[in-house]
Amino acid sequence: DVKVTQSSRYLVKRTGEKVFLECVQDMDHENMFWYRQDPGLGLRLIYFSYDVKMKEKGDIPEGYSVSREKKERFSLILESASTNQTSMYLCASSLTQIHSDSNQPQHFGDGTRLSIL
Amino acid sequence: GENVGLHLPTLSVQEGDNSIINCAYSNSASDYFIWYKQESGKGPQFIIDIRSNMDKRQGQRVTVLLNKTVKHLSLQIAATQPGDSAVYFCAENIFWDSNYQLIWGAGTKLIIKP
Repeated sequence: DVKVTQSSRYLVKRTGEKVFLECVQDMDHENMFWYRQDPGLGLRLIYFSYDVKMKEKGDIPEGYSVSREKKERFSLILESASTNQTSMYLCASSLTQIHSDSNQPQHFGDGTRLSIL
Repeated sequence: GENVGLHLPTLSVQEGDNSIINCAYSNSASDYFIWYKQESGKGPQFIIDIRSNMDKRQGQRVTVLLNKTVKHLSLQIAATQPGDSAVYFCAENIFWDSNYQLIWGAGTKLIIKP
């Protein structure tokens, strides 16, 4: 089974802090994703990466950055945390899906519930 | 998480009955669709997928139907069990801005009545 592991289940930080959320997958997947999930808004894509050292902006990248130095690890960084970044953060990974014939589902970790005070 | 169910459409089903969860998608160019199940406190879990060249796909106790004419997707769960209680999301895969991306539905909360 695919295993996507997020380093923390719950995290409490203060406004203005720099926050790191870590995600590791063990299936040699090329693609990795960071989402946030808020009530009534569903899953919104923050950033994704299709390869090591590669990153692409999703729908809501403002206030976030990412790092992918190794294939199995994808980090989400809140440069200066704000209260509106309190949310559930979900990491996912998938095999490459460059061609429609090779669509592959994303597999998710159990999330990090981040509270910014 | 525990707040995922707020403001969501809800479907209540008697234990043992069949459940049908519906989803409308917007982009006729979408070529791949996925259903996910999210239990409280966990991340979304892959259930079943279907490609646009198919109308129906079956898994264990689940069936996905795709109607491309009306851009409608449904998930059928046979003999619903208490463990099926969760929020169910559909997602469509589109090629946008030089990449394939998933567009997520808002989710449906499934409640199983004993």
